[in-house]
Amino acid sequence: LAKTTQPISMDSYEGQEVNITCSHNNIATNDYITWYQQFPSQGPRFIIQGYKTKVTNEVASLFIPADRKSSTLSLPRVSLSDTAVYYCLVGPYNQGGKLIFGQGTELSVKP
Amino acid sequence: DTAVSQTPKYLVTQMGNDKSIKCEQNLGHDTMYWYKQDSKKFLKIMFSYNNKELIINETVPNRFSPKSPDKAHLNLHINSLELGDSAVYFCASSQDGSEDSYEQYFGPGTRLTVT
Repeated sequence: LAKTTQPISMDSYEGQEVNITCSHNNIATNDYITWYQQFPSQGPRFIIQGYKTKVTNEVASLFIPADRKSSTLSLPRVSLSDTAVYYCLVGPYNQGGKLIFGQGTELSVKP
Repeated sequence: DTAVSQTPKYLVTQMGNDKSIKCEQNLGHDTMYWYKQDSKKFLKIMFSYNNKELIINETVPNRFSPKSPDKAHLNLHINSLELGDSAVYFCASSQDGSEDSYEQYFGPGTRLTVT
C-alpha cells in the first residue's frame, strides 16, 4: 500500500481556509485517496474520498493533481471545532477495507 | 441512537488478567473491524470480519481473539494481558460492495490500561 507523508502539525485561526497536503509518490493505479478526521477521545470520522481532479462535499474539498502523487484537503473557514487530527489514506477502496493510517496532521485552530 | 457502540469505555486491569471488549453496530453493515491506537496515536488494523467470517488478521499476538456471534457484533477477547496492551481500541464497520466501501464508521473507543 502507498505510503503517505503529511505535516505533523499545523496552526490556523478561525475563519481562515486551511490546506493540508499529503504526498503519496508511489500511489497505484487502483488506489483512492481518503481523508479521515479524529477529534480527541473519539474514533476517526470519514471526511472525503477521491480518485482524481477535485471532489467537494459539505465539509471539505479534495484537490488531486493529474499525476496523483499528492493531494490537498481544503477546509473552508475553519472554526475552533475543526481542531483535530487529519489522516490521509491511500489504498484500493474495495480490498476488504484495510485502512492504513499514517501519523496524521494535528490541526490547531485558534480564536 | 449510536451507530457503532463499544463497551466498556474505560477498562483498567492488572497484568495476566483476561478481558473482553464488546462492539455493536446498528447500521446493517456487512463488515466490522478492530483497530488499536497506541500512545503515539498510530492507528493500526487488527482484525476484520465480513458476515461473521474472518477476512483480515494482522500480525497480532494470539492472545487476542475476535468473536463475531452475528454480523452486528464483533467482540475482542484478550488473554493474559500485558503492559504493552495498554491502548485505545476502536471498533468500526463498513458496507462493503458499495461505492462507500472505503468509508468506515468508528465507535467511541475503549481505553484499556494494564497495570
